[in-house]
Amino acid sequence: QKEVEQNSGPLSVPEGAIASLNCTYSDRGSQSFFWYRQYSGKSPELIMSIYSNGDKEDGRFTAQLNKASQYVSLLIRDSQPSDSATYLCAVHPSGGYQKVTFGTGTKLQVIP
Amino acid sequence: DVKVTQSSRYLVKRTGEKVFLECVQDMDHENMFWYRQDPGLGLRLIYFSYDVKMKEKGDIPEGYSVSREKKERFSLILESASTNQTSMYLCASSNVQQPQHFGDGTRLSIL
Repeated sequence: QKEVEQNSGPLSVPEGAIASLNCTYSDRGSQSFFWYRQYSGKSPELIMSIYSNGDKEDGRFTAQLNKASQYVSLLIRDSQPSDSATYLCAVHPSGGYQKVTFGTGTKLQVIP
Repeated sequence: DVKVTQSSRYLVKRTGEKVFLECVQDMDHENMFWYRQDPGLGLRLIYFSYDVKMKEKGDIPEGYSVSREKKERFSLILESASTNQTSMYLCASSNVQQPQHFGDGTRLSIL
C-alpha cells in the first residue's frame, strides 16, 4: 500500500465549476499536510498547509482534513483554465519530522 | 519570500563525468532535500540533510552523494553520470514540520 495515494486523473472540470481533489494516507499519526501545485515543466509551489481537522480556506482554495478517515482534500472554487496543473498532496508521517511523503499527483484540466 | 536557488536550469553532461548540482536557500532553514522527478514516478527523495555536515539517505541514493558544508548550501554529486540519471532534479528546504519550498529545478541530460 502506498503511503500517500492520489488519483492520477486527469480530472476534467468546466470553467467556473468546483474541482475536488482527494488524497488518502496510511500513517494514522501524521500531523502536517500540504498541497502543492505544479505546472508542466515547473517546480512544485506550495498552495495550502493544514494541521488540524476541519476546513481551511484561502481565497478560492479550501483544504479539508479528516484524520479519523485519513484523508485530506483540496477544493478549488470557480475553477479557471490557469488552475490546470498537477496537484501534489504531501504528508508529514509520524516520526519522520523532517521528511514528507508526496503523492504522485492528480492532473487537473479546466475546460474553458 | 523563501528563495531556493539552483545553480542551473538546464545541464548537459556526458556519461562517466562527475556532476555537481548546487542549491542555496536564504531562509536559514534547517532541512534541505534533493529529489528527482520522472514522468509517472512522482517525486523521489535522493538525500536530505537536517544540519550542517549531517545527511541521510532517501529512497534512491545509489549513484549519488551530497555535501552540506554551510547551512545555506546543499550540493548533489553524481559520482559517475549514467544515462539513467537523466531527469529533473529538485532542491527544497524547510524547517521542522514546516512545508518544503522548492527551487526552479535543474533539467539534467546525460548523453
